[in-house]
Amino acid sequence: DAKTTQPPSMDCAEGRAANLPCNHSTISGNEYVYWYRQIHSQGPQYIIHGLKNNETNEMASLIITEDRKSSTLILPHATLRDTAVYYCIVRVRSNDYKLSFGAGTTVTVRA
Amino acid sequence: KAGVTQTPRYLIKTRGQQVTLSCSPISGHRSVSWYQQTPGQGLQFLFEYFSETQRNKGNFPGRFSGRQFSNSRSEMNVSTLELGDSALYLCASSREGAGGTYNEQFFGPGTRLTVL
Repeated sequence: DAKTTQPPSMDCAEGRAANLPCNHSTISGNEYVYWYRQIHSQGPQYIIHGLKNNETNEMASLIITEDRKSSTLILPHATLRDTAVYYCIVRVRSNDYKLSFGAGTTVTVRA
Repeated sequence: KAGVTQTPRYLIKTRGQQVTLSCSPISGHRSVSWYQQTPGQGLQFLFEYFSETQRNKGNFPGRFSGRQFSNSRSEMNVSTLELGDSALYLCASSREGAGGTYNEQFFGPGTRLTVL
């Protein structure tokens, strides 16, 4: 799986949009971008994934650049409960279920 | 639909003992993966089971083992516990996609193991 680079931490004001960047410059054509988050002392939670088109669900939006070398996870209206570590993972959609988690981005939402 | 459940939630053992952790996947999910999370190493993949067979394995010593039952429930066992085995052990389940494609994994709350 391709390697990803994320900023170690970022702050966000409650009610504002949080934009979380992820670089994956060595991504292959058949690799998807997945986002998970882990709230303190809980198991990771799936957020969203995409291949090349922008994706949106009830939790977030995923914007992938045209060259697919980077992406941005957008939490449209951050709340205090969105404080968590966010992981960007690049992988092929195969039955190899090994997820390689990096250090992620620690997002702190402040009131 | 009930989520992934793990038992026990907390466990304290001493060095040299062995431990068994249990995971019940989401109904209908046949893939179960196990991860170890420590402050120093982060989240690391242990192994994955599908239809009672170990399909993928991470880089952990043979003291770490697992199995899956016909109802997809899974257990992992750690023998001869070491202080460094203190960690949060997470289980994740997934529904196998068409043609063996990956679907997102849903994680349980974890079992916090402390080795004294």
